[in-house]
Amino acid sequence: TQLLEQSPQFLSIQEGENLTVYCNSSSVFSSLQWYRQEPGEGPVLLVTVVTGGEVKKLKRLTFQFGDARKDSSLHITAAQPGDTGLYLCAGASQGGSEKLVFGKGTKLTVNP
Amino acid sequence: DVKVTQSSRYLVKRTGEKVFLECVQDMDHENMFWYRQDPGLGLRLIYFSYDVKMKEKGDIPEGYSVSREKKERFSLILESASTNQTSMYLCASSPPKGSTNEKLFFGSGTQLSVL
Repeated sequence: TQLLEQSPQFLSIQEGENLTVYCNSSSVFSSLQWYRQEPGEGPVLLVTVVTGGEVKKLKRLTFQFGDARKDSSLHITAAQPGDTGLYLCAGASQGGSEKLVFGKGTKLTVNP
Repeated sequence: DVKVTQSSRYLVKRTGEKVFLECVQDMDHENMFWYRQDPGLGLRLIYFSYDVKMKEKGDIPEGYSVSREKKERFSLILESASTNQTSMYLCASSPPKGSTNEKLFFGSGTQLSVL
């Protein structure tokens, strides 16, 4: 069974600080996705990374896929209260399954 | 705007009741999924379907069944609700693997409480 370990589970920071969320596995994934979920809503896709070593930027968010495609990180620069939410990583297996493997999530609170 | 609609935001049921959770998508997606989300446990896949009348068990199918009679509708059924099925239930749909827009589109969730 493929597992994705996400850390930290909780993160509470002040506006303007930087942070990094990690997603690690012993398994190789064909791609990895990051979702953000706000209270009372379903998760919404932020980004998909496909190539080992790939780095994608979305405004103040930087996503990186590990060279071996077993891990990923999300870095937020100068966090804003609007970044508050649950961040989930999800990996697609190489076997062609339609299923995604989800990490347990990082609950981020950015205080003004 | 593309949408996945879950029929109820909140449901309260009694132990032993039969519960139906409905999900409809308007994107003509082949794949549909049911997850439950619990604090500290993340999203766990209950069942998924990759075509009409097709279904596959996810990681925690016990106590649940599903129905997909039409492409746009995927129903989750709790045959006899129990208190440990109190949870947030999320429905999602996606195009086939390899599509240009390959991602999960989620509904807003149904918070089910079983008393």
